[in-house]
Amino acid sequence: AQSVSQHNHHVILSEAASLELGCNYSYGGTVNLFWYVQYPGQHLQLLLKYFSGDPLVKGIKGFEAEFIKSKFSFNLRKPSVQWSDTAEYFCAVIRRGGGADGLTFGKGTHLIIQP
Amino acid sequence: DTAVSQTPKYLVTQMGNDKSIKCEQNLGHDTMYWYKQDSKKFLKIMFSYNNKELIINETVPNRFSPKSPDKAHLNLHINSLELGDSAVYFCASSQDGTGHNEQFFGPGTRLTVL
Repeated sequence: AQSVSQHNHHVILSEAASLELGCNYSYGGTVNLFWYVQYPGQHLQLLLKYFSGDPLVKGIKGFEAEFIKSKFSFNLRKPSVQWSDTAEYFCAVIRRGGGADGLTFGKGTHLIIQP
Repeated sequence: DTAVSQTPKYLVTQMGNDKSIKCEQNLGHDTMYWYKQDSKKFLKIMFSYNNKELIINETVPNRFSPKSPDKAHLNLHINSLELGDSAVYFCASSQDGTGHNEQFFGPGTRLTVL
C-alpha cells in the first residue's frame, strides 16, 4: 500500500517569503502525484498534478512542484507567498491503474501567511 | 453549476441514530468516492464506486454503506452513529477509475454526533 509523508505540519511565513513544502511517498510501483489545497471552510481544490513527462510541473496561483523519482519526493514551491495562500495543503498519490483505490493523502500542512 | 454537490452541509444528530448524506456529480464521471476528514484534518478514503463495483477500505465499519441509484449519485448511509463518526465527509468523482485523472471534491458535510 502507498503512504505519504508531509514533513511540516505547521508553517508560518510572512508575505513575499518563498515557500517549500515537503512531500515524500512510499510505494514500490508507479504513482500519479497531486497537491490539493483546502482554504478555510472550503472543499479541496487541485493545485497541480504529475503523471509523466517534465518532472517540474506548474499549477494554479503560481505554485509549482518537482518530482524527484530517486528521492520519492514531490515538493511544492512558490517563490513569493501572499496572505491569501493561508490554507491547508495536502500531498496525495494514487497508483497507476489504481483509481478505484482512491487517493492516499499526507497529513497536511497548515500554512499561515502573516501580512 | 456545482460539479460535485453534497447535502446536507451540516448534520447534527444523536448517538445511535441512522443518517444519510447525499452526493451528486454533474460531470458525467464514472467513478465516485467518499473520504473522511477527521478533527486533525487527516483525509482517508472510505469507498470508491466504479461501474457498479464497490471497493471498500477495510478499516471502514460495516455501519457505513454507500448506495448508488445511478452513475451520478453516491449516497452514504450510516447506521447506529457513534461519537467517533463525527468528522467532515467529502464526496469526490473522477472521469474513470484509472487514477489518471483529477478528482473533483464536493463541499463536504460536517457530521456532529452528540
